[in-house]
Amino acid sequence: DQQVKQNSPSLSVQEGRISILNCDYTNSMFDYFLWYKKYPAEGPTFLISISSIKDKNEDGRFTVFLNKSAKHLSLHIVPSQPGDSAVYFCAASPFSNSGYALNFGKGTSLLVTP
Amino acid sequence: EPEVTQTPSHQVTQMGQEVILRCVPISNHLYFYWYRQILGQKVEFLVSFYNNEISEKSEIFDDQFSVERPDGSNFTLKIRSTKLEDSAMYFCASSDSTGGGTDTQYFGPGTRLTVL
Repeated sequence: DQQVKQNSPSLSVQEGRISILNCDYTNSMFDYFLWYKKYPAEGPTFLISISSIKDKNEDGRFTVFLNKSAKHLSLHIVPSQPGDSAVYFCAASPFSNSGYALNFGKGTSLLVTP
Repeated sequence: EPEVTQTPSHQVTQMGQEVILRCVPISNHLYFYWYRQILGQKVEFLVSFYNNEISEKSEIFDDQFSVERPDGSNFTLKIRSTKLEDSAMYFCASSDSTGGGTDTQYFGPGTRLTVL
């Protein structure tokens, strides 16, 4: 079953504009959420995370927002750059400490055009 | 910057053969994982490993799969009798819980397994 959903398979944004990638989840036990970026022929690269006690976490151009009541999170990239073009995966876990499985969405392919 | 490495990058095998996928986790990490991604599908959790024991495993991780940490640096995934549906990208990951802190899993570049 799809516990983490990324309903937009692709997104195209102009360089310098904001990219907003969305993610929904169904399991209310999820407590920790991560975004990974993946280039072709490479493994997922960690971008940013947020635990359920927060509703926002910011790291440079990347900000993740969490709405627990809606079971929704989003990743904002501002300003978007051509090098941001990649597949972005949302992942969730019931625990924030080590040893537990990450549940991944299917990914959103972001294309940033010059 | 420390990184997870995996070998080989691509493995081709015949159905029914055994394969061993190798990973070198980040050196001070204590938790190790295997995930796989079948073409066109999401990344799926297989197993996590800590202190020479399996911590958690998914339904996919049946008796044909096994994991081992044969020495202080390597972490391996063995598939005893490969099936066509085992063809996928296999990712190793590692993490280091600092005790009460949040955990981030760092992934290797993957091994593409092709079963013919």
